[in-house]
Amino acid sequence: GAGVSQSPRYKVTKRGQDVALRCDPISGHVSLYWYRQALGQGPEFLTYFNYEAQQDKSGLPNDRFSAERPEGSISTLTIQRTEQRDSAMYRCASSLETAGGPGTQYFGPGTRLTVL
Amino acid sequence: DAKTTQPNSMESNEEEPVHLPCNHSTISGTDYIHWYRQLPSQGPEYVIHGLTSNVNNRMASLAIAEDRKSSTLILHRATLRDAAVYYCILFHNYGQNFVFGPGTRLSVLP
Repeated sequence: GAGVSQSPRYKVTKRGQDVALRCDPISGHVSLYWYRQALGQGPEFLTYFNYEAQQDKSGLPNDRFSAERPEGSISTLTIQRTEQRDSAMYRCASSLETAGGPGTQYFGPGTRLTVL
Repeated sequence: DAKTTQPNSMESNEEEPVHLPCNHSTISGTDYIHWYRQLPSQGPEYVIHGLTSNVNNRMASLAIAEDRKSSTLILHRATLRDAAVYYCILFHNYGQNFVFGPGTRLSVLP
């Protein structure tokens, strides 16, 4: 079956531009997560959703970052006024369980964002 | 957040067992212990998880100390395809915040 997909796979943008990163979770998966991963480091939690509700956004670095999942399926992570320090791999994951479950997550291939 | 500590790197010979340790001395009673691995240029993938009892699956075994302050991921016969960064993560039962540390980089020598 289809796994988690993300688009675009690569995004190069100029400083100050807005970018939107898309995540298409595994069909039927309730929970969706966003992470950011710098080279040589482990993924850093950004935010997660159960269905369409954003449950935790404590990992979003600042108010330039936002995420939505309006119909409980596809999610978009938006970064406004990008800065060079935003350059990283952005990864999405989905999970079948809601809060309280053991939370096995399935990760997508990621979007490599480069801000010039 | 409860944290884990792992060695930065380990080496193993092909076809030999590998024991990857993880310390989590501040674990709480509702924390599950998860292991994920990340192969080069790929996203993390689930390996195994447990709460109190030892667990086995087709990929690995997880041995959990009786006091739950440490655990060990066991790969019974390492292959070259097992070369990856292995992450030990405590998953809070009431919240979905996964905290990945730097992990252990496993090298498998032919």
